[in-house]
Amino acid sequence: KNQVEQSPQSLIILEGKNCTLQCNYTVSPFSNLRWYKQDTGRGPVSLTIMTFSENTKSNGRYTATLDADTKQSSLHITASQLSDSASYICVVSRNDYKLSFGAGTTVTVRA
Amino acid sequence: DTGVSQNPRHKITKRGQNVTFRCDPISEHNRLYWYRQTLGQGPEFLTYFQNEAQLEKSRLLSDRFSAERPKGSFSTLEIQRTEQGDSAMYLCASSLANGGWNEQFFGPGTRLTVL
Repeated sequence: KNQVEQSPQSLIILEGKNCTLQCNYTVSPFSNLRWYKQDTGRGPVSLTIMTFSENTKSNGRYTATLDADTKQSSLHITASQLSDSASYICVVSRNDYKLSFGAGTTVTVRA
Repeated sequence: DTGVSQNPRHKITKRGQNVTFRCDPISEHNRLYWYRQTLGQGPEFLTYFQNEAQLEKSRLLSDRFSAERPKGSFSTLEIQRTEQGDSAMYLCASSLANGGWNEQFFGPGTRLTVL
């Protein structure tokens, strides 16, 4: 069973709108949580990295939150753009090399 | 371009053939990772190197798979006697393990199709 679960599996939003992606994890031990953006046919690119002591971190229009007690994270995309169309992957790190990946949420932004 | 590069980007082969992929990491990075990603799933860890030493291999890495990093720089991943189930995107990543975030930077991947 995957230890990192993401929802929804996919979503479609209109350009300029906001959306929030969810991530629940059971990975233990926990070192840090990352959100990656993966364009079709490309490798993942890191958006944010958070340790258990951080509640929120922003990178431009992307804001990630973390609740280490409930083992939940979210990624909020503000004022979406067409270029935001991609898969967003939640990744939990157990140590300094082993990453556990979620299946991703596919976001489609339409004009 | 100073990012992680992978070659080839696409490979189509017939079942039973051998294939080899190459990964060139970011030059100062001492760690190199291989992942496999199937459609609609996140990447799965296969193996990783610190310099030239292969430190861990996933049980996903069957006897038909072998990875090398002979001089601690580029790495190759070979799949022998390919099967249709080997069809996937093979991703390489590299990082600088120096006690910090050890952030992994990914290459564009090699998409393998086994007919």
